Amino acid sequence: DAKTTQPPSMDCAEGRAANLPCNHSTISGNEYVYWYRQIHSQGPQYIIHGLKNNETNEMASLIITEDRKSSTLILPHATLRDTAVYYCIVRVASGGSNYKLTFGKGTLLTVNP
Amino acid sequence: GAVVSQHPSRVICKSGTSVKIECRSLDFQATTMFWYRQFPKQSLMLMATSNEGSKATYEQGVEKDKFLINHASLTLSTLTVTSAHPEDSSFYICSAILQGSYEQYFGPGTRLTVT
Repeated sequence: DAKTTQPPSMDCAEGRAANLPCNHSTISGNEYVYWYRQIHSQGPQYIIHGLKNNETNEMASLIITEDRKSSTLILPHATLRDTAVYYCIVRVASGGSNYKLTFGKGTLLTVNP
Repeated sequence: GAVVSQHPSRVICKSGTSVKIECRSLDFQATTMFWYRQFPKQSLMLMATSNEGSKATYEQGVEKDKFLINHASLTLSTLTVTSAHPEDSSFYICSAILQGSYEQYFGPGTRLTVT
């Protein structure tokens, strides 16, 4: 799986949009971009994933650049409960050993009141 | 969404004893489950892949005789830490693949403390 690079930490004011960047310059054509988050002392939670088109769900939006070498996760109105470590992972969406997720260090997002 | 549970959520055991952690998919069948370990302030590290009805596949550096994995049904996988030592103290997290999809759903984790 392609490696990703994320800033170690970010701060965001409550109610404002949080934009979390991720670089994945070695991504392959068949690899998806996945975002998970982990609130302290809990298991990771799936947020969103995409291949090349921008995606939006009830939690967040995912913006992928045209060359697919980077992406941005957007939390439109951050709340204190969004404070967590956010992981950007790229992998193929197929079976076998490709089910594996390789977690990097992620970005610790702290939402401040 | 699909729910994965783990039991116990916390366990304290004495050095040299064994402890079993259960991972259950509550509302779906999971042919594949994963076990991760997370030390304080570090990221999740995959320990093994558990497939229903077959032997688990362990990641490099993980002792299969120390971390016994059983996946006897489509809704249950167990991890047994044998002869636990203080350095095995960690946060153990399982995940399950919804049958027919490629998405992983994570359990809430089990905090193991070996004294």
